[in-house]
Amino acid sequence: DVKVTQSSRYLVKRTGEKVFLECVQDMDHENMFWYRQDPGLGLRLIYFSYDVKMKEKGDIPEGYSVSREKKERFSLILESASTNQTSMYLCATLLESGTGGRGYTFGSGTRLTVV
Amino acid sequence: AQSVTQPDIHITVSEGASLELRCNYSYGATPYLFWYVQSPGQGLQLLLKYFSGDTLVQGIKGFEAEFKRSQSSFNLRKPSVHWSDAAEYFCAVGLNAGKSTFGDGTTLTVKP
Repeated sequence: DVKVTQSSRYLVKRTGEKVFLECVQDMDHENMFWYRQDPGLGLRLIYFSYDVKMKEKGDIPEGYSVSREKKERFSLILESASTNQTSMYLCATLLESGTGGRGYTFGSGTRLTVV
Repeated sequence: AQSVTQPDIHITVSEGASLELRCNYSYGATPYLFWYVQSPGQGLQLLLKYFSGDTLVQGIKGFEAEFKRSQSSFNLRKPSVHWSDAAEYFCAVGLNAGKSTFGDGTTLTVKP
């Protein structure tokens, strides 16, 4: 089974800090995604990547950036954290484009609180 | 653009009773359709998926879902609910390229 590991389960950061959320997968999945989850809003796509050094904006990219230097690692960066970025962040992977029918494998999530 | 509606925010059923969670989608063609389950504090786990073929699909944990094209629906069912099924359930529409759109979720409470 593919394992998707998010480095932190809980994080508390101060307003204005630069925050890094890490996601590592142990299989050769090409596609990686970052979603945020908020009560009543479901999951919203922030950024995704189809390949190393490649990224595309999702539906709510403002205030975020991403980095994918190696195939197995996809980092989400909050350039200057704000309280409205307090949320659950979920990383997901997919084998490759064209296999969308297989569904995602998710990490356990990182609950970020910005104070 | 595709969208997903889960009309029920919260459902409560008694243990042993049957369950149906509703999902309606909007998309120009037949999409990939998914149901995921999220236990408290955890990530999402894929329950089942549909793209083509038999419109009744079986998943893990005894769940099944039926695709109805005429109603743009993909409802999740289970004949007998167990206390361990208490969780949040998400319906999703996916594209072959990989992006998925999720519904807002339905929280299931199971009464003893």
